[in-house]
Amino acid sequence: GAVVSQHPSWVICKSGTSVKIECRSLDFQATTMFWYRQFPKQSLMLMATSNEGSKATYEQGVEKDKFLINHASLTLSTLTVTSAHPEDSSFYICSARWQGANNEQFFGPGTRLTVL
Amino acid sequence: SQQGEEDPQALSIQEGENATMNCSYKTSINNLQWYRQNSGRGLVHLILIRSNEREKHSGRLRVTLDTSKKSSSLLITASRAADTASYFCASYTSGTYKYIFGTGTRLKVLA
Repeated sequence: GAVVSQHPSWVICKSGTSVKIECRSLDFQATTMFWYRQFPKQSLMLMATSNEGSKATYEQGVEKDKFLINHASLTLSTLTVTSAHPEDSSFYICSARWQGANNEQFFGPGTRLTVL
Repeated sequence: SQQGEEDPQALSIQEGENATMNCSYKTSINNLQWYRQNSGRGLVHLILIRSNEREKHSGRLRVTLDTSKKSSSLLITASRAADTASYFCASYTSGTYKYIFGTGTRLKVLA
């Protein structure tokens, strides 16, 4: 139980294009989803927290117009990197939790984004 | 910085030896989790320890928590080459509803 998937697992795009990454909770309803970013050989940095049906809360320094997050249902959150540039290349990981889950988060396998 | 600290940053040991990683965090917590990440892959949950617990075991893993020092340690006993990975701690504070990750320890176990 508590499986989270991400799609795609990797994506290569041209500079200036937008890329959408999906995060799904497969066997539970995720009241909250989190998006993290990880640079090579570094730790995970929380980008934003999204609650189903409401606007995402972004961490300081994260551009909300650059990284659009939508959490339209209890099983799906999307992260759209708009007008991607090479510096946006990174590993993006989502996690999800449900209300009353003893504050545990369940992580997706991550999406490797490379912007050329 | 929002991140906690981990040390050492990197650790190289021989198979069969024990590996100890330390994590320090900044605020009072409800629980702390340890994760493993193989290169280029997602996170694997290892163990969760709550603020009212001092020690927890899971197979070859032993986690301790000292809330007075705001620190935790992960011990891997009888290490194997397959344990080679990066290990992260993540602290959770109620009210924030989010986990803050440590900087990570890169463990290499030599066969």
